[in-house]
Amino acid sequence: SQQGEEDPQALSIQEGENATMNCSYKTSINNLQWYRQNSGRGLVHLILIRSNEREKHSGRLRVTLDTSKKSSSLLITASRAADTASYFCATDADNNAGNMLTFGGGTRLMVKP
Amino acid sequence: ETGVTQTPRHLVMGMTNKKSLKCEQHLGHNAMYWYKQSAKKPLELMFVYSLEERVENNSVPSRFSPECPNSSHLFLHLHTLQPEDSALYLCASSQEAPLVGGKAFFGQGTRLTVV
Repeated sequence: SQQGEEDPQALSIQEGENATMNCSYKTSINNLQWYRQNSGRGLVHLILIRSNEREKHSGRLRVTLDTSKKSSSLLITASRAADTASYFCATDADNNAGNMLTFGGGTRLMVKP
Repeated sequence: ETGVTQTPRHLVMGMTNKKSLKCEQHLGHNAMYWYKQSAKKPLELMFVYSLEERVENNSVPSRFSPECPNSSHLFLHLHTLQPEDSALYLCASSQEAPLVGGKAFFGQGTRLTVV
């Protein structure tokens, strides 16, 4: 089952602008992670936020988590053409063993130079 | 370079062929995963191995058969596939379970085309 759903599905912005992507999930989680995927390649971990955290920063990335709304957002500030990629949220929920990482459908971000 | 290596990078096979995908990690991780990524669909978890034992199957068709001979290697054996099985197959590994914040390290994937 799909745990996370990203919104929007696609986003096109100019270099220098900020990009915001949202993720909603269905069940309780212990943590939420964001990953990036360049076209046809593997995913790369960007940042993890735990359920007891509300905001986290890493360089130009800012992640928020609202457990009451079961949603998270990823903000990329001062975007660059090299940020063009697909971005996925992933959660640890969906089974009792806690060994599954379940991904959403992703947001395709295009940053125009 | 994430430390997870998949081979081959590209594979074209007929529906009657038998082939295998290979994944290797030397990160000392305890868990390895196979994911399937089809166009316009979320990543689908196919198999999870933790300490070399399979813990999740997710009702994957039997034409996909995983093998984990040791903690560093993971295989996906393919036979009598269908054209709809064409996808990017991604291998990942993690040191800790996602439950406790384990992050996944992905390989570059194998682009599989079934003709």
